[in-house]
Amino acid sequence: KQEVTQIPAALSVPEGENLVLNCSFTDSAIYNLQWFRQDPGKGLTSLLLIQSSQREQTSGRLNASLDKSSGRSTLYIAASQPGDSATYLCAVDSNYQLIWGAGTKLIIKP
Amino acid sequence: DVKVTQSSRYLVKRTGEKVFLECVQDMDHENMFWYRQDPGLGLRLIYFSYDVKMKEKGDIPEGYSVSREKKERFSLILESASTNQTSMYLCASSSAADMNTEAFFGQGTRLTVV
Repeated sequence: KQEVTQIPAALSVPEGENLVLNCSFTDSAIYNLQWFRQDPGKGLTSLLLIQSSQREQTSGRLNASLDKSSGRSTLYIAASQPGDSATYLCAVDSNYQLIWGAGTKLIIKP
Repeated sequence: DVKVTQSSRYLVKRTGEKVFLECVQDMDHENMFWYRQDPGLGLRLIYFSYDVKMKEKGDIPEGYSVSREKKERFSLILESASTNQTSMYLCASSSAADMNTEAFFGQGTRLTVV
């Protein structure tokens, strides 16, 4: 059974720092992996989708990598801003269903 | 701009009431999903649908049912609301055109059962 883990559960860093969020999964047979952002009390916004054949995807200050063989993905955020404060979730598309990590709550201090 | 719309942002219902949560997407997506999200438990799949009139149970279907009479609309029904169904409910949709498509989410409905 696929399991997805996100470490750390919470992270607080000063504005301007580069940071990395981690996501690991137990079964490498995935179709894709998605990173989402969720602001308090709101729905989820898709940030990046990495297909199983890809190694990374970039959008602005965000870069997501995927290493299927080791069951890991990272979300790199460059030059963090207070507006990046949110919970970040990764989800693995496994057999047409999304399996979710518990999320990393990120706080960027001004 | 793609859109998934949930009919209510906040709902307060009484124990025993029948509750309908509505979700509409305008992207002609085949797949639609209902999740609930609770602190410490993450997102859990309640039901999903691959096509009109089709439904599949997710991880926690007990106490819920769904309806998909039209492609763009997926309804979640709480037959007899209970306090343990107080939660944030999230609807999502995705295309079945290929296996590498994004899931798009609505803004969520925070349901309180009193």
